[in-house]
Amino acid sequence: GEDVEQSLFLSVREGDSSVINCTYTDSSSTYLYWYKQEPGAGLQLLTYIFSNMDMKQDQRLTVLLNKKDKHLSLRIADTQTGDSAIYFCAESPSNSGYALNFGKGTSLLVTP
Amino acid sequence: DAGVIQSPRHEVTEMGQEVTLRCKPISGHDYLFWYRQTMMRGLELLIYFNNNVPIDDSGMPEDRFSAKMPNASFSTLKIQPSEPRDSAVYFCASSFQGSNQPQHFGDGTRLSIL
Repeated sequence: GEDVEQSLFLSVREGDSSVINCTYTDSSSTYLYWYKQEPGAGLQLLTYIFSNMDMKQDQRLTVLLNKKDKHLSLRIADTQTGDSAIYFCAESPSNSGYALNFGKGTSLLVTP
Repeated sequence: DAGVIQSPRHEVTEMGQEVTLRCKPISGHDYLFWYRQTMMRGLELLIYFNNNVPIDDSGMPEDRFSAKMPNASFSTLKIQPSEPRDSAVYFCASSFQGSNQPQHFGDGTRLSIL
C-alpha cells in the first residue's frame, strides 16, 4: 500500500516549539493518530483527531489537520528534554479493516 | 488500570527453535492486534482478532507464523521454526470496538534469533 510519510529527524532546543509533519494517504480515514515511542518502550497514544476537525489542542500539544492536502501536524509547545522520542503518525484506511497504517516515525531530539 | 501486558520482554534464541510470544489485552477490549517493528519496514500489522476470532491474517509473513486467541484475555504468536530475519520487536495492541478507536500498545517483545 501507499506510505504515510514523515520526516525522519527533527532537532530543537529546549523551550522551543517542535512541529512534526505527516502526509497520510487515505482521505476516508475517520481518525488520525499520534503515538510516541521512547527507547525500549511500546507506543504511547498521545492524541488523536476526528477527521471533521481542523484542530485539536491538549495542553502542550496541538494537532492541525488539512484534509484537502491530507496533511497532519503535531506541535509541541515548550519542548522539554523528556519529549525526546520517536513520534508516529497513523491513519485508519477504510480498506484495511481496523488496521492502523503507520508512518516510519520522526525522531525528535531536544537539546538543552 | 493495567495496560496491555506482553511477555517475555526479551527473547534470544537460536534459529530453528520455536518461539512463543504472549499477550494479555486490556480487560473489556474486544479487538487484539499483533504488529512487528523493524528498522527497514517500520510497523507492520501481522494479524488481528475480534472477540477471539482471527479477522485478517494477511500480514502474517509465512506459514512459520501462527497466532491464537483461546479466550478474551490471552493471545499467543508463535514462530516455528524461527529464522534470523524474524528478529524484530513484536507488539500487541488492543482496542474497544475496534473501528476508529485508539489502539493501546504493550511494551513489546524484543526478539533476537541467532
